[in-house]
Amino acid sequence: KNEVEQSPQNLTAQEGEFITINCSYSVGISALHWLQQHPGGGIVSLFMLSSGKKKHGRLIATINIQEKHSSLHITASHPRDSAVYICAVRPQGAQKLVFGQGTRLTINP
Amino acid sequence: EAQVTQNPRYLITVTGKKLTVTCSQNMNHEYMSWYRQDPGLGLRQIYYSMNVEVTDKGDVPEGYKVSRKEKRNFPLILESPSPNQTSLYFCASSSSMSSMGGELFFGEGSRLTVL
Repeated sequence: KNEVEQSPQNLTAQEGEFITINCSYSVGISALHWLQQHPGGGIVSLFMLSSGKKKHGRLIATINIQEKHSSLHITASHPRDSAVYICAVRPQGAQKLVFGQGTRLTINP
Repeated sequence: EAQVTQNPRYLITVTGKKLTVTCSQNMNHEYMSWYRQDPGLGLRQIYYSMNVEVTDKGDVPEGYKVSRKEKRNFPLILESPSPNQTSLYFCASSSSMSSMGGELFFGEGSRLTVL
């Protein structure tokens, strides 16, 4: 079993829908990152969380440390949101990241 | 502009021919790291560096070397590349990987093919 599990693996939705991507992890962590990778490969950091909730524009990320779970929400989704979204955790005491397998999101016009 | 620069972006080489992928950041970050990304396996850490002259193995270090002689540069060296090192490689940096850490900045990726 992977230390970091994302669901769903693939998600297709219509423009304007509310999107939720989930990330569950099995170890104690000091931080969790949400990353975005567009076709063509570049990776961009969206959020770094250690508790609570953060919001950037239409993106919202939440984390529940006790339940070892994080969610990434996209409101009013748009075709340009189509990308792979990757959850990564930094285990407590470790200087490394453990990555989920990613969620491929496709937003149709 | 804050950035992490990798070169080359694309490379086709042959088995056994030594190559170096360079990585440079202009943010005075302490932490730098190399990852490879393969279909079905996701991102995996190869090596990381907490600061100048401080490097350590990640999850898949076999066949790779790194050095950190200057804070801004963290080259990835493949002494004798093999076809199983065909992959998409990313360099990343962060201000810190301490308990709170910092935002990650990724290079654009280097697609390497070993024939």
